[in-house]
Amino acid sequence: QITLKESGPTLVKPTQTLTLTCTFSGFSLSTSGVGVGWIRQPPGKALEWLALIYWNDDQRYSPSLKSRLTITKDTSKNQVVLTMTNMDPVDTATYYCARRQLTGTGTYYFDYWGQGTLVTVSS
Amino acid sequence: DIQMTQSPSSLSASVGDRVTITCRASQSISSYLNWYQQKPGKAPKLLIFAASSLQSGVPSRFSGSGSVTDFTLTISSLQPEDFATYYCQQSYSTPGTFGQGTKVEIK
Repeated sequence: QITLKESGPTLVKPTQTLTLTCTFSGFSLSTSGVGVGWIRQPPGKALEWLALIYWNDDQRYSPSLKSRLTITKDTSKNQVVLTMTNMDPVDTATYYCARRQLTGTGTYYFDYWGQGTLVTVSS
Repeated sequence: DIQMTQSPSSLSASVGDRVTITCRASQSISSYLNWYQQKPGKAPKLLIFAASSLQSGVPSRFSGSGSVTDFTLTISSLQPEDFATYYCQQSYSTPGTFGQGTKVEIK
């Protein structure tokens, strides 16, 4: 059974750094083709792709947020960590982590998602 | 970034109706298109990947089609549990942008 769960602070102040942890089970991030991504959703708004880390430690970031994001993995702990610096009230959102699965044709999809964690940015 | 535009933004339909949602990419994405369903307070759920492949466990009333820039999600006979918001997502390039969503409501 594959599960993912996000953890971290529910409230951060403007200018602070947010650190979120995705703890997963049922798969290994050392398996070729596997990745874990972060996606967020402001209240009442659409999904936004943030970052992705691959089994080989390759990292991808949304260009608009790249300067503020860092994604890392700890394969032994089955965890992926996302840090976002200089938080602003517009970063208030539910943050999801999800497993990325690669297909034989080279495309990918997010097939398992965590429940999400709501992060509010306010002083 | 590749822009994904869904239409309509919302629709009202009755149980048993055939529903079609479209998604247009701002440039060619081949068949690198996924569809997700999201219910209030829940995480998105994968329905269709690679434009037309049905994810395991998803009812066959859901189908996807299209390629290059124009894609369609069809629900052949809308069921009560299908009232939700649907998102397309391109996986052709980074970032894997999502559409703005289509909310399917009860008529």
